[in-house]
Parts: sequence; C-alpha cells; structure tokens
Amino acid sequence: DAGITQSPRHKVTETGTPVTLRCHQTENHRYMYWYRQDPGHGLRLIHYSYGVKDTDKGEVSDGYSVSRSKTEDFLLTLESATSSQTSVYFCAISGDRVEQFFGPGTRLTVL
Amino acid sequence: DQQVKQNSPSLSVQEGRISILNCDYTNSMFDYFLWYKKYPAEGPTFLISISSIKDKNEDGRFTVFLNKSAKHLSLHIVPSQPGDSAVYFCAASHGGATNKLIFGTGTLLAVQP
Repeated sequence: DAGITQSPRHKVTETGTPVTLRCHQTENHRYMYWYRQDPGHGLRLIHYSYGVKDTDKGEVSDGYSVSRSKTEDFLLTLESATSSQTSVYFCAISGDRVEQFFGPGTRLTVL
Repeated sequence: DQQVKQNSPSLSVQEGRISILNCDYTNSMFDYFLWYKKYPAEGPTFLISISSIKDKNEDGRFTVFLNKSAKHLSLHIVPSQPGDSAVYFCAASHGGATNKLIFGTGTLLAVQP
C-alpha cells in the first residue's frame, strides 16, 4: 500500500469556522490531489499539486485553498466552512504513472 | 457536462457468475482508463487500467474492455465473489503533465452468496 495518511479522520465543526485537513505521503511522489466524494457525484477534484509550491484548481475549488510547502505534505483549507462542504475528503498521490493512490479519507461534518 | 458516466447506480450478481460494470465517456482525447474499487470507510484502491491504444487488458479475475468507436469501457469480474461487493468507479485521463483523472459516479456491486 502507498504510504498516505490523512488527518484528522473525522471532524465536526460549525459553519463559519476555518478547517484544515492534512495529507502526508512517504512515497516522494510529485503529484498530490484533493477530492471530495458525495452521493451521486462520485469523486470530484478540488485542487491538485504538481510540485512544491505548485498548485492549481480542480473542478470544485470554490471555498477551498491548498498549500504544499514540502513534497510530503499537502494541506486543504476551508477558510469559512459551510454546510455544503460536509463531505468525505480524499487525498491521492501519483508519480510517473497515471494511477493515483488514495488515502483513507476524512469525514467532515459542518453543522 | 459529465465526461465520464456510469449509468447503473447498482448491480446485483450471484456468487460465481460474471459481473459486468459499464462506463461511457464523451471525450475522445482520453488516453488512459482506470477502474477503482471502494469499500465503505476506506479510500478507493486501484484495480486495473487500459491504454487507449488497446482494446483489452486482463489481470486475474478482472478484465477491462475498451470500445473506442462507441466510447465505452466495461469491467468484467469472473467469477464474482462476495468480497467483490463494493463501489466501482471508472476514471479517465487526458494524459499530459498533471495525471489528472475524471471519475464517474460509481456503481455499487452486490455479490450474493
């Protein structure tokens, strides 16, 4: 299994509060991705990174920001959480091949 | 506009029989297609992939078929086992420098003992 961890695994927060999710890899892979999974929508890309300090938006990036200051860490921040951001968040990594490898997920509930 | 579609939300199959999961796409520029399997409360795991220059790829009980003219791919699982019960996602890649994938909405496979 690829070495990917996500923290926290579960979080409950209130509307309007900032939230940061962390993805950590031990594979030294160049690419890292944040997805959200919602019923009826599959996996949708939020942001991705193609190197340290190199990031770009995915298809559902509004309300989210990311940072990657080290190869191994990719942070996803919800500046002011809303109920529509209640979801399961997955981090993924990939190297030279097209396959992506996913972390265990973070279940976020915004009340 | 959804570029990768899985039109069957669920599928039920008897143990030992064949499971066929289908996926359609709209963009002829996709160069790789992948299948992922996901159990509840876990992350998706990579199952099998196929390049757009091929029409079949096999790995044990899993075979993926690609029909480019129909913009259709399918995953065959033979024989199906109860442990195969999971959500299956197909995904497609444009290639290029970012390895981005576009996922379908998933099909829940239930293999009945």
